[in-house]
Amino acid sequence: DADVTQTPRNRITKTGKRIMLECSQTKGHDRMYWYRQDPGLGLRLIYYSFDVKDINKGEISDGYSVSRQAQAKFSLSLESAIPNQTALYFCATSQTNEKLFFGSGTQLSVL
Amino acid sequence: GEDVEQSLFLSVREGDSSVINCTYTDSSSTYLYWYKQEPGAGLQLLTYIFSNMDMKQDQRLTVLLNKKDKHLSLRIADTQTGDSAIYFCAEVTGGSYIPTFGRGTSLIVHP
Repeated sequence: DADVTQTPRNRITKTGKRIMLECSQTKGHDRMYWYRQDPGLGLRLIYYSFDVKDINKGEISDGYSVSRQAQAKFSLSLESAIPNQTALYFCATSQTNEKLFFGSGTQLSVL
Repeated sequence: GEDVEQSLFLSVREGDSSVINCTYTDSSSTYLYWYKQEPGAGLQLLTYIFSNMDMKQDQRLTVLLNKKDKHLSLRIADTQTGDSAIYFCAEVTGGSYIPTFGRGTSLIVHP
């Protein structure tokens, strides 16, 4: 089983819909992150959390929200999806040495 | 400007050496990483180097760090078709503890 699991793997939705992407981990790491990947732009940080009661905005948090339900779970929500949120979304975890472990990604398409 | 810069593409012949370059701007970087992303997958940590090191070798991989020029390189010896992937450079600074990624270099290995 994967250490960092993202669901769903693929999602197609319409403009204005609310979407939740889920991430769970079995690595026992305190830190969790959400990134989006766009071709030619690399990875950009959306939100991160250093423990259950800690939530921090990344460089592109507008239009997104997160919830850290437990040490092992970190979900990303798009309250009202728009087409420029079409991207590949990655969840990652780390312990204090900052080496990240990534999930397999969720490809989101907003029509 | 970008904190971490990489060229977007590199094409090499199978059996040759590949050298992927990265420049960064923050002189307080503590860790520098190379991640590999294969098609349809998340990023996987390939190797990393502490800022107090100049070189690190791991089998076919050699990482060189020039702190004066803020330049990091990844050399892959005897490049194989299985090395075709996107390679991301990332840095962590002492202040933020959050990895910052470059845009990624697509390595194409042809026979």
